[in-house]
Amino acid sequence: GENVEQHPSTLSVQEGDSAVIKCTYSDSASNYFPWYKQELGKGPQLIIDIRSNVGEKKDQRIAVTLNKTAKHFSLHITETQPEDSAVYFCAAEDKIIFGKGTRLHILP
Amino acid sequence: DTGVSQNPRHKITKRGQNVTFRCDPISEHNRLYWYRQTLGQGPEFLTYFQNEAQLEKSRLLSDRFSAERPKGSFSTLEIQRTEQGDSAMYLCASSLEVGEQYFGPGTRLTVT
Repeated sequence: GENVEQHPSTLSVQEGDSAVIKCTYSDSASNYFPWYKQELGKGPQLIIDIRSNVGEKKDQRIAVTLNKTAKHFSLHITETQPEDSAVYFCAAEDKIIFGKGTRLHILP
Repeated sequence: DTGVSQNPRHKITKRGQNVTFRCDPISEHNRLYWYRQTLGQGPEFLTYFQNEAQLEKSRLLSDRFSAERPKGSFSTLEIQRTEQGDSAMYLCASSLEVGEQYFGPGTRLTVT
């Protein structure tokens, strides 16, 4: 079955700097890759997703890149703000196999 | 609020008791998913429904767990003879076919 690895597990960046979180997956048949943000006490919230027919997708300060050959995809957050502090999960496919998460700290 | 709702938000029960959780998906969504999340981990897939049909169950879903979606709308997840290892956040999500899933706030279960 699908296996998703995510790193780093914790990331601290200065406010205004960029943050990058990387994930790899194992099943080359996977075609859908969402990213979720989870704040304390809440369910995950979809922030961006990408399908295998494109290599990059951007939505304001958030972008996702996908390399199907290497089976990895990354989340990029630019101009980070305090409200970006949360746990971020990458995932693969429709039954959603999640990575273990990255706790992002935005430092003032 | 037209998002996914879950009830109760918190449940404390004694080991050996049965518990039941409810999920109300977004009304036009035909897929409904259940996940379990423990502290410091990502959500783990348990099962999903396409309308009223339960199409897949994870090996995590032991025979003490049962899920239903009788009319293709709301769903219930029951855990019988709860164990301390069942303590977790139980998340429900819904979607239109394959793709973007919207999660509810979760039900936090504590088994004492």
